[in-house]
Amino acid sequence: GDSVTQMEGPVTLSEEAFLTINCTYTATGYPSLFWYVQYPGEGLQLLLKATKADDKGSNKGFEATYRKETTSFHLEKGSVQVSDSAVYFCALSDRGGADGLTFGKGTHLIIQP
Amino acid sequence: NAGVTQTPKFQVLKTGQSMTLQCAQDMNHNSMYWYRQDPGMGLRLIYYSASEGTTDKGEVPNGYNVSRLNKREFSLRLESAAPSQTSVYFCASSLRTGANYGYTFGSGTRLTVV
Repeated sequence: GDSVTQMEGPVTLSEEAFLTINCTYTATGYPSLFWYVQYPGEGLQLLLKATKADDKGSNKGFEATYRKETTSFHLEKGSVQVSDSAVYFCALSDRGGADGLTFGKGTHLIIQP
Repeated sequence: NAGVTQTPKFQVLKTGQSMTLQCAQDMNHNSMYWYRQDPGMGLRLIYYSASEGTTDKGEVPNGYNVSRLNKREFSLRLESAAPSQTSVYFCASSLRTGANYGYTFGSGTRLTVV
């Protein structure tokens, strides 16, 4: 079946550091890929997405590129802020998304001033 | 614009009690979903409704039932709660099922079964 693997953390960085959160996937078809972010006490929010190979999703300074050859969708940001502290989830939608998203376990990111 | 509204936000149940978690969306979305979130497990799909009048099992449906009451509302029922159902439950909706559509999530219901 489908699966998503991501580093669990916590990942602790200083403000203005470069961020990479790794995500790899296994899927039977040709999935769409997503990053969601969850701030404390809140639900998940869509951060960015990519629907085909070599697509780059971007939002709020975050970027991720759909790499079919390495089955990866790593999240990057050039300069993180304290306000980026949250849990980040990588997810995929396969088989036309008919039966929901498959999520990774989440990566807890802590940014220190 | 409220988005996806879940009630209640917190609940404590005794083993064997029943309860219904409510979810409503005001975005005219066709598809709705129930997930549970457990530490170290990520989110797992319990049930989903691709459109009004249809429901299907997800990855972890045992011990739960759902009702798609109308296009706006999708409820999750625990008939006889067990400690293993202690979790945070999230409702989500999307315009329709399909790989290109992102989900809008509610803020969650934190359920403790003692």
